[in-house]
Amino acid sequence: AQKVTQAQTEISVVEKEDVTLDCVYETRDTTYYLFWYKQPPSGELVFLIRRNSFDEQNEISGRYSWNFQKSTSSFNFTITASQVVDSAVYFCALSEFSPHYGGSQGNLIFGKGTKLSVKP
Amino acid sequence: DAGVIQSPRHEVTEMGQEVTLRCKPISGHDYLFWYRQTMMRGLELLIYFNNNVPIDDSGMPEDRFSAKMPNASFSTLKIQPSEPRDSAVYFCASSSRDPGSYEQYFGPGTRLTVT
Repeated sequence: AQKVTQAQTEISVVEKEDVTLDCVYETRDTTYYLFWYKQPPSGELVFLIRRNSFDEQNEISGRYSWNFQKSTSSFNFTITASQVVDSAVYFCALSEFSPHYGGSQGNLIFGKGTKLSVKP
Repeated sequence: DAGVIQSPRHEVTEMGQEVTLRCKPISGHDYLFWYRQTMMRGLELLIYFNNNVPIDDSGMPEDRFSAKMPNASFSTLKIQPSEPRDSAVYFCASSSRDPGSYEQYFGPGTRLTVT
């Protein structure tokens, strides 16, 4: 069965600290996609990154970086030099490849989210 | 381009009343998803459509919930009759099946309160 586990319910850091949000997933398929979304206090869900299961390269985007390791079924997210504006709930999600539907995606399975509070 | 549009943003209704939530996906997207977010259950998929056809409605909690997509630019989620336990934030999302574009883009959500 598909499952996404974000073991950290809440994390609190002081501005400029680095912080890593953990994500562990379970899936039977060899082809799948992993995502991170941000939900700021205003409530909307903002897409951050998508990774497919064949691309294990780490990715860096400004202060954000992602570490994908298939061997441990993890897709961790690191924020470097955190800022107050990074305060939000962060969700990791899994989407399995769905060849039945013309090779397109299935639905997203979300983790429970990690609430990050960055204090000045 | 406009993102996913949802209306209303907030809805307060009494138990037993019919509630209709609306969604306009991003133009050109052929997948549309309805999610519900609660503190207890987190984000869960209710139903999704591909080219206006419902593909998977296994997440719809019970017969009181129904969803339609009469055309590529409009979908509704209806609850009749509503109950207090339906109180949640309902998100609509859309995505494209184009290779390399599988991310779902979410609307701002509708916060439903059933008293």
